[in-house]
Amino acid sequence: KQEVTQIPAALSVPEGENLVLNCSFTDSAIYNLQWFRQDPGKGLTSLLLIQSSQREQTSGRLNASLDKSSGRSTLYIAASQPGDSATYLCAVRSGGSNYKLTFGKGTLLTVNP
Amino acid sequence: SAVISQKPSRDICQRGTSLTIQCQVDSQVTMMFWYRQQPGQSLTLIATANQGSEATYESGFVIDKFPISRPNLTFSTLTVSNLSPEDSSIYLCSVVVTGTGELFFGEGSRLTVL
Repeated sequence: KQEVTQIPAALSVPEGENLVLNCSFTDSAIYNLQWFRQDPGKGLTSLLLIQSSQREQTSGRLNASLDKSSGRSTLYIAASQPGDSATYLCAVRSGGSNYKLTFGKGTLLTVNP
Repeated sequence: SAVISQKPSRDICQRGTSLTIQCQVDSQVTMMFWYRQQPGQSLTLIATANQGSEATYESGFVIDKFPISRPNLTFSTLTVSNLSPEDSSIYLCSVVVTGTGELFFGEGSRLTVL
């Protein structure tokens, strides 16, 4: 059974700082990994999707890496801004045709002005 | 990408009643899913909504409690029946873009049961 762990559970940083969020998963036989952002009481916004054959994906100030063999992914946020404050969720789609995602519990990020 | 609209965005219901949540997508999609997010928890898949056939439920979720309809490729409903305070959660509709396998979510429906 796939399990996804995100560390840290919460992170508070000053504006402008670069930061890294971590995600680990127990079964390396994944199809892809997706990072989401969730604002309080809201739905999920897809940030980055990394296919199992890829090592990283970039979008603006965000860079996500994937090391499938070690069961790890990181989300790097450059030059953080108060608007980045949200919960960041990592989700893994295991191999096969089933589109079911296994989610981590998320990292609550607070960027202080 | 896909734009997903959910209704209602939030509701407060009495114990023993039912709530139906609607999910509308701006394009035809093959795969639609319903997730639940309990307070302070991450997301759990309830079921896959299949067009023209019965939904496929995950372990721990049953059709009598969570009946789902999928009349066409752009619309689905989830009903949460016989409500109890333990059903207080955010319910989210999700679709997958078959080309990339990327999942998109609606804004969620926050349910509070008194």
